[in-house]
Amino acid sequence: QQQVKQSPQSLIVQKGGISIINCAYENTAFDYFPWYQQFPGKGPALLIAIRPDVSEKKEGRFTISFNKSAKQFSLHIMDSQPGDSATYFCAASLEETSGSRLTFGEGTQLTVNP
Amino acid sequence: NAGVMQNPRHLVRRRGQEARLRCSPMKGHSHVYWYRQLPEEGLKFMVYLQKENIIDESGMPKERFSAEFPKEGPSILRIQQVVRGDSAAYFCASSPWAPGTSGARQYFGPGTRLTVL
Repeated sequence: QQQVKQSPQSLIVQKGGISIINCAYENTAFDYFPWYQQFPGKGPALLIAIRPDVSEKKEGRFTISFNKSAKQFSLHIMDSQPGDSATYFCAASLEETSGSRLTFGEGTQLTVNP
Repeated sequence: NAGVMQNPRHLVRRRGQEARLRCSPMKGHSHVYWYRQLPEEGLKFMVYLQKENIIDESGMPKERFSAEFPKEGPSILRIQQVVRGDSAAYFCASSPWAPGTSGARQYFGPGTRLTVL
């Protein structure tokens, strides 16, 4: 019940296109859903996060869509750029619980071709 | 404000040796987490510590692995008698959580890449 499933495993998009990565979770108690971006040889960096009381959150070219009833959330990268090429991880946790661990998806390797 | 620091960045050990990984959290952060990332996989939680206390070690292998976060100094992840399967990237994250504030935001260090020969 602690799993977070992520798809696709890899994604190739042309410059200027829209990248879409999907995640599904099982634990309905999760109340914080961040996305992390990781470049090779680096640690994950928080990109954007959402709580289940909103259905969408946008920050620049990055948007999270959240569907509470379906227990799914997705990351949309608009106007994708070669510099966006990285591995993206969705995650979930119990925000209001002290020290709650992050449960990560398996990751999506995004390649944006020039 | 410096970010989360980890050292060494790369560590090579032979089978049977000990590996010590260090993590200095961001200033003001008293919560430390360790995650392991196997090649081509996502991050898996290992242990959560506060100063001088292990709060949740449910993700730690039962043998050979231990962690501490002393009152002074960095958090240490210790792997005894390493085996080839321990080869992975080990990430530390810290959080500023305090009662009444958002607790889930975790800031990750650059990781230590452990290679066991």
